[in-house]
Amino acid sequence: SQQGEEDPQALSIQEGENATMNCSYKTSINNLQWYRQNSGRGLVHLILIRSNEREKHSGRLRVTLDTSKKSSSLLITASRAADTASYFCATDAAGANSKLTFGKGITLSVRP
Amino acid sequence: DGGITQSPKYLFRKEGQNVTLSCEQNLNHDAMYWYRQDPGQGLRLIYYSQIVNDFQKGDIAEGYSVSREKKESFPLTVTSAQKNPTAFYLCASSPGGSGSQYFGPGTRLTVL
Repeated sequence: SQQGEEDPQALSIQEGENATMNCSYKTSINNLQWYRQNSGRGLVHLILIRSNEREKHSGRLRVTLDTSKKSSSLLITASRAADTASYFCATDAAGANSKLTFGKGITLSVRP
Repeated sequence: DGGITQSPKYLFRKEGQNVTLSCEQNLNHDAMYWYRQDPGQGLRLIYYSQIVNDFQKGDIAEGYSVSREKKESFPLTVTSAQKNPTAFYLCASSPGGSGSQYFGPGTRLTVL
């Protein structure tokens, strides 16, 4: 079952621009997490936001969570070519016993 | 170095053969997970284990088997009963509870 749905599916921007990616989900959550995957590699955890938090920052990353709309956004500011990757949101649903459910991902291309 | 390793990186199998994928972690994590990723898709959970000698089926367990005899190791066997085994397999671990997961580099399995 796919809990998180990312939007858009693909995003292409110029280096230096900001990238905004969205994630919607269906059920109550304990937390929502964002991961990054470079082509052919494993996933790397970026940031976790708990259900009682509304916004969180980590370096050039800003994540927001709106539990009333069951949605989250990931903003990457001042993007770099090295940010080119796929980005996934994952939800830790309430009562899911620490299992994560991943969306299909967003492919971000940052043009130099 | 602390981390999670998977081997081999690439694996080729003939139809009708069972094959075992290795996953080892030295992070002292209680929980371990196996995911399958198909092209352009998100991750789907195959099996997970929250503690040694215990594991549960994920969303797509049919045709797969696992064991968790040691805390550090969580091997996945892809059996001949798995109808479409060609995919990228990712192993992950976490301290347990609602936290982030740490991923290995993945094994790409191709059935010839």
